[in-house]
Amino acid sequence: AQSVTQPDIHITVSEGASLELRCNYSYGATPYLFWYVQSPGQGLQLLLKYFSGDTLVQGIKGFEAEFKRSQSSFNLRKPSVHWSDAAEYFCAVGSPSNTGKLIFGQGTTLQVKP
Amino acid sequence: DTEVTQTPKHLVMGMTNKKSLKCEQHMGHRAMYWYKQKAKKPPELMFVYSYEKLSINESVPSRFSPECPNSSLLNLHLHALQPEDSALYLCASSQREGDGTQYFGPGTRLLVL
Repeated sequence: AQSVTQPDIHITVSEGASLELRCNYSYGATPYLFWYVQSPGQGLQLLLKYFSGDTLVQGIKGFEAEFKRSQSSFNLRKPSVHWSDAAEYFCAVGSPSNTGKLIFGQGTTLQVKP
Repeated sequence: DTEVTQTPKHLVMGMTNKKSLKCEQHMGHRAMYWYKQKAKKPPELMFVYSYEKLSINESVPSRFSPECPNSSLLNLHLHALQPEDSALYLCASSQREGDGTQYFGPGTRLLVL
């Protein structure tokens, strides 16, 4: 079955510290991979996406993610976290063979300590 | 411009009311989506429209009725809802169905009393 796992429900980091959010997927075909961020009461904003090519993807707000096929992972990283990064982060997978359906992970809540 | 707009931002309705949610995009996208999101949960797909035709209905109860009058506009008509339908309703669009990148609106926060 197709699934996305975000192992960390809640992460707390200090402002200025580095961040890594984990995402593992189970998908039969070559997936499209996404990271979205959602601030409280807001919609989802696309941070970055991977379709093919270079496995290290740069996104907005200083985020990057690395696709590792051997580990079925697409972890999100940021070298220095800002207080405004506190939000909910969702990893998602999709595929042209699966029409428009995105499969989301359960999300990781990021808290930033001053 | 990657903006999807949704109105209203907030909606309170009784179980006998009829209301509608509206979603609009002007990016020339031909696929539009409705999602339901409960607190602390990921979005759940409800409907997909492709070229103004309903492509996917994820077994959504008939008290939710989608409509796509044109390529820029998507409505969700609500009737006889239940309190458990209270949630954030998100609209999204993409260039084509299945082409990957979906852009989300800010959502409508619905409370059913």
